[in-house]
Amino acid sequence: KAGVTQTPRYLIKTRGQQVTLSCSPISGHRSVSWYQQTPGQGLQFLFEYFSETQRNKGNFPGRFSGRQFSNSRSEMNVSTLELGDSALYLCASSREGTETQYFGPGTRLLVL
Amino acid sequence: GDSVTQMEGPVTLSEEAFLTINCTYTATGYPSLFWYVQYPGEGLQLLLKATKADDKGSNKGFEATYRKETTSFHLEKGSVQVSDSAVYFCALSGYNQGGKLIFGQGTELSVKP
Repeated sequence: KAGVTQTPRYLIKTRGQQVTLSCSPISGHRSVSWYQQTPGQGLQFLFEYFSETQRNKGNFPGRFSGRQFSNSRSEMNVSTLELGDSALYLCASSREGTETQYFGPGTRLLVL
Repeated sequence: GDSVTQMEGPVTLSEEAFLTINCTYTATGYPSLFWYVQYPGEGLQLLLKATKADDKGSNKGFEATYRKETTSFHLEKGSVQVSDSAVYFCALSGYNQGGKLIFGQGTELSVKP
């Protein structure tokens, strides 16, 4: 069974731009969560989607948003990029009713 | 609030040495506990998990036991290899955490031949 896939793997953007990251969960997994990983703050939860609805949200500004499609694929968007948004963005999927999350390889975003 | 605390790294060991990485947690309810491993340039891989008190998770020679009385979930391996060099993250998740994973800060392990 294919794992979680994320595209693109690497991105370079400049301040003020916006970016969209994509995540395809493991087949049959309907929950998708997003995390930001930085050297200073570690791994922080952004949001979780289930059946196209945001079910939980972390403590991030409104510039960070996401959505989920009917096939469970998810996208996250960051608008008006800031230097501090440079990070590894990780997507994870899980089966309904379980707590075990499986992660993708991440998208490394560099904001210049 | 809920939190996970890991021993600080880096931890440097010789090949075949015994490994312990300490992890303690504070949480409401009865969360599941996890160890994830991250190799350079990669995402997180689930290493092992335990869903209730006294459960032992194990995988690839690594073990950890869910100790509710000491709120701990220490990771152990009897004989490490160079290929075990990575960053290890302890995490918890449960109903009271809204299903999100709460991670420790990670412990870097370096194994020398």
